[in-house]
Amino acid sequence: AQKITQTQPGMFVQEKEAVTLDCTYDTSDPSYGLFWYKQPSSGEMIFLIYQGSYDQQNATEGRYSLNFQKARKSANLVISASQLGDSAMYFCAMRDNNFNKFYFGSGTKLNVKP
Amino acid sequence: DAMVIQNPRYQVTQFGKPVTLSCSQTLNHNVMYWYQQKSSQAPKLLFHYYDKDFNNEADTPDNFQSRRPNTSFCFLDIRSPGLGDAAMYLCATSRDRTSGVFPTDTQYFGPGTRLTVL
Repeated sequence: AQKITQTQPGMFVQEKEAVTLDCTYDTSDPSYGLFWYKQPSSGEMIFLIYQGSYDQQNATEGRYSLNFQKARKSANLVISASQLGDSAMYFCAMRDNNFNKFYFGSGTKLNVKP
Repeated sequence: DAMVIQNPRYQVTQFGKPVTLSCSQTLNHNVMYWYQQKSSQAPKLLFHYYDKDFNNEADTPDNFQSRRPNTSFCFLDIRSPGLGDAAMYLCATSRDRTSGVFPTDTQYFGPGTRLTVL
């Protein structure tokens, strides 16, 4: 069964505006972690932000925040004040209690327009 | 800085000619992963090591093999590359889920090796 779903293959956003990238997940484990990664055209996978299943507050890292809605099993990434350098693929991933695996969504390609 | 290093960054091989990709880490993580990623797709896990324990994904072709001689190094061997094996190969590390930091610890990725098969 698909563990991570990203329903937006591509998104456009105007520079300096905020954008939300969607991610829903599926697990029966009470303990899990949710991660977002950025992958520019160079190919390197860059860790952005993390949310734990027991965290009471939404995670924030600079311009990145994670809108965590546990009951809905969603972990959307919000990028505020978009910059041209934010243009990249974004992957949502989950780590649960199943061995040491990380499960990736299919990704969202974000294009920031000047 | 502690990091994950992959060599080479770009590899060109001929159809059917064996190729080896290497990964090293200075993070002292006990889990190492190999992913295959094709253009605009999610990384696909090929296998991972927990220390010396090798965990193969069910759909990883036999053409792909791996070795982990010690904690720091891990190799991906493609025995007879086909045109469909052209992809980016990503190595990653993490601490294992019993290390006390589960589930908070992310994976740390190398820069990848882009493989071309002629």
